[in-house]
Amino acid sequence: EPEVTQTPSHQVTQMGQEVILRCVPISNHLYFYWYRQILGQKVEFLVSFYNNEISEKSEIFDDQFSVERPDGSNFTLKIRSTKLEDSAMYFCASTGPGQGARGYTFGSGTRLTVV
Amino acid sequence: GNSVTQMEGPVTLSEEAFLTINCTYTATGYPSLFWYVQYPGEGLQLLLKATKADDKGSNKGFEATYRKETTSFHLEKGSVQVSDSAVYFCALSGPYNAGNNRKLIWGLGTSLAVNP
Repeated sequence: EPEVTQTPSHQVTQMGQEVILRCVPISNHLYFYWYRQILGQKVEFLVSFYNNEISEKSEIFDDQFSVERPDGSNFTLKIRSTKLEDSAMYFCASTGPGQGARGYTFGSGTRLTVV
Repeated sequence: GNSVTQMEGPVTLSEEAFLTINCTYTATGYPSLFWYVQYPGEGLQLLLKATKADDKGSNKGFEATYRKETTSFHLEKGSVQVSDSAVYFCALSGPYNAGNNRKLIWGLGTSLAVNP
C-alpha cells in the first residue's frame, strides 16, 4: 500500500535555528498538508498546498513557516527561526484528485524538539 | 466556525467491555466525519468515516453513525481488546465536493487504556 514518508522521525534543534522537515507524498496525489500536534493537545491544521502554491493556511502558519515542493516528489516544511513552542509532532498528509478529506494518507510524523 | 468536541479521557476499560467515545460537532452544511486512531509512538491512521447523514462507518469492530439531528458521531465497539489501547480522534472536514482540497478539524483526542 502506498505510504507518505516523513524524515527525520525525530529532530532536536536549538532555539533560533532553522529546520526543514521533509515529506514524500504518495506519487499520484495532488493535495498536500502539514498538521502539528503539540504534546497532549489536539491536532492542528497548518497549511495546504496545491498546484505549487499554498491554498489555505492557519493563523499558526506565520512568516516563520514556509512550504515548498522543490522537485516534484518532496514536500518540505521550513521553520526559519525555531521557538520553544514549536516543539511538537509534525504530520504530513496527501490526498488524491477528487478524494477531498476522505482520501487522506498521513505520514508517521516528525517529532521536533526545540531546546 | 466548524468545531469538534470529544469526551475527555482517559478512558480505562477491562478487556471485552463495551466502548463509547462521544463526539459532537458544529458545522455548516453536511461535513464529512472521521475517526482516527493513534497507537503509542505511531502516526495517525484513519479508523472509519461517514460522508452523509445516517451513514454508518465501520472498521475492526468499531462503528460510528453520522447523526445530523444530534450533530454527533459517537464511536462504539462491543468488546474491546488490549490492542485497542490508543488515542482516538474525531475529526471533520467541510462538505464533500469532488476535487476540493479539504482540511481536517480535530477534536482533542480521547486516550483509551484496555486492561487484560
